Amino acid sequence: QVQLLESGPGLVKPSETLSLTCTVSGGSISDYYWSWIRQPPGKGLEWIGHIFHSGITNYNPSLTSRVTMSVDTPKKQFSLTLSTVSAADTAVYYCARDGTRSDRRFILDVWGQGTTVTVSS
Amino acid sequence: DIQMTQSPSAMSASVGDRVTITCRASQDISNYLVWFQQKPGKVPERLIYSASRLSSGVPSRFSGSGSGTEFTLTISSLQPEDFATYYCLQHYTYPRTFGHGTKVEIK
Repeated sequence: QVQLLESGPGLVKPSETLSLTCTVSGGSISDYYWSWIRQPPGKGLEWIGHIFHSGITNYNPSLTSRVTMSVDTPKKQFSLTLSTVSAADTAVYYCARDGTRSDRRFILDVWGQGTTVTVSS
Repeated sequence: DIQMTQSPSAMSASVGDRVTITCRASQDISNYLVWFQQKPGKVPERLIYSASRLSSGVPSRFSGSGSGTEFTLTISSLQPEDFATYYCLQHYTYPRTFGHGTKVEIK
């Protein structure tokens, strides 16, 4: 079955850029949306945005000025960059499959294990 | 943004209890509503999609109902493994928004 695995630095300095990659295995990256979601320590879940396999994106307006998502279909990877980070961006970052254009069965049905990113000097 | 308000924010219940959690949307979201369960230190797991459809592999004691602005997640007979935090999410419009969570604790 489909599995997702996040990778990237666990520690980022304030004002620098956070970069994470999610690798899809066991299934296709095509025809799906792929989301990034984060969870600060002890807090709830926040949807960051998602990208379609074609590269179409939708971002949370609260982060849109700092977020960029991209997809590399041959490598079956999609990525998140978040610029000018601060301590408020410290969180567990998850990638997840987020449905197709027409089928809700796959809305956030598969998640990666999550990767902890700490923003600190 | 559509605000998702969950109630209660926390509750205590006993094994075997029937538990109901409510999620209210600040505007009509039809049935574009998903429920998740998250245990401490674990990845969220989807329980319900389209407000009432059970995800594959999820026990039948979980059920969802509602449409428009009011939704409920019901656990018919609480089991020890159900003690967790539950979140709702709307995907009717962007940005997708989560409720703040309902923590179900052992009484």
